[in-house]
Amino acid sequence: GAVVSQHPSRVICKSGTSVKIECRSLDFQATTMFWYRQFPKQSLMLMATSNEGSKATYEQGVEKDKFLINHASLTLSTLTVTSAHPEDSSFYICSAVSGRDNSPLHFGNGTRLTVT
Amino acid sequence: GENVEQHPSTLSVQEGDSAVIKCTYSDSASNYFPWYKQELGKGPQLIIDIRSNVGEKKDQRIAVTLNKTAKHFSLHITETQPEDSAVYFCAASQTGTASKLTFGTGTRLQVTL
Repeated sequence: GAVVSQHPSRVICKSGTSVKIECRSLDFQATTMFWYRQFPKQSLMLMATSNEGSKATYEQGVEKDKFLINHASLTLSTLTVTSAHPEDSSFYICSAVSGRDNSPLHFGNGTRLTVT
Repeated sequence: GENVEQHPSTLSVQEGDSAVIKCTYSDSASNYFPWYKQELGKGPQLIIDIRSNVGEKKDQRIAVTLNKTAKHFSLHITETQPEDSAVYFCAASQTGTASKLTFGTGTRLQVTL
């Protein structure tokens, strides 16, 4: 089945630094990728939707200058958390869907970000 | 916008028993309803989905039912096994696809021996 690979699985960074998370679709072309944030024991909150070759669409309340998204190819999207602070610590999950009708959403395994 | 409520938040069943998780949605335009299973430290995995033109769908021990009039859908797991223990999320979309999903709050299922 379709696989979405997310990297890294865990990252610890110091406050004020930036962190980049990669999301790759391994065996299909992902026309659209989504980035979610999940707090402990809570549901997934959609942060932004990215389409290949165009600017990402951010959900209300999500700072686009803080969470930079680049969807440079049909198999790769990146999320960069800039000037990270402890409150940015969370579980970030990407997902991807191909352009085919009725294609399901495939999730990566998530990235646990801890900002110290 | 769409609002999806999910119950119960936790569910404990004995191995071999059935488990039922229920979700309600607010927007009658929603037409795609997937269910995801999330194991600890991992991303959600699609286990079954249903579209609004179908009332029920089954895949081995897992089934989903949809009542469009009442705007609710349910996940049924029969003959539960310890490996079914996980957090389950329902979701709804108005696009007919997996785009723009609104997720429920999750149900932590524990299958005990």
